[in-house]
Amino acid sequence: GIQVEQSPPDLILQEGANSTLRCNFSDSVNNLQWFHQNPWGQLINLFYIPSGTKQNGRLSATTVATERYSLLYISSSQTTDSGVYFCAVDRPETGANNLFFGTGTRLTVIP
Amino acid sequence: DSGVTQTPKHLITATGQRVTLRCSPRSGDLSVYWYQQSLDQGLQFLIQYYNGEERAKGNILERFSAQQFPDLHSELNLSSLELGDSALYFCASSPSGQGEETQYFGPGTRLLVL
Repeated sequence: GIQVEQSPPDLILQEGANSTLRCNFSDSVNNLQWFHQNPWGQLINLFYIPSGTKQNGRLSATTVATERYSLLYISSSQTTDSGVYFCAVDRPETGANNLFFGTGTRLTVIP
Repeated sequence: DSGVTQTPKHLITATGQRVTLRCSPRSGDLSVYWYQQSLDQGLQFLIQYYNGEERAKGNILERFSAQQFPDLHSELNLSSLELGDSALYFCASSPSGQGEETQYFGPGTRLLVL
C-alpha cells in the first residue's frame, strides 16, 4: 500500500514562531489533504492540495507531486494552533478516494 | 462546521455488546466513508459507500458492518465488542467518492468499551 511519512513527529514552538511540517508519500496520488486535529479530537480540513500552492491566512501548503512531498507552513503560531496535523493521500489505482493517513505531527505552541 | 453530523458523540458500553453509530453526510454528497482512530493503529479507513452501494473496503473487521440508506445517511454497526474496539470513529463525505475531491469529516463518535 501507499506509505505516508510525516516529520517531525513532535514540535514545540514559542507563540509567534514559524514552522514547516513535511509529508512524504510513496506513490502518485489524486488527493492530498492536510488536517488539524484539535485537542477535542475534531478533524478540521485545512487544505485539499494534490499539487501546487495554497494559502489561507497564516497557513499555507505546497505539494510537489513529481517529488512526492507536501509542506505545511504555519506562520506567527498561536496557542490555538496546538494539536496534531495529519497529511492524508489516496490510492489512485483503486478509484475509490479513501484516504491513507500519516502518523501526524504533534504541535505544541507555548505562550 | 463541516456539515457532516454524527451521533452519538460519546458511547460507553461493555464487552460483547453491539452498538450502532450514525452519520449524515453533507447536503448533496453521495459518498460516505468510515474511519477508525485508535492509539495503536492510528487513523485507518474502514469502508466506503456511494449512493447506497459499497464501493471500497479497508481494514474493517468481520464483526463490523455498515450500510447507506436511500436518504444517504449511513450507519456503522459494531458487534461482539472487545476492549480493543475503543476508539474514535469518524464519518466523512464527498460528492462522488472518486478521485480529486475533498473529504469532509464529522466530529466523530468516541466509543469506550469496558
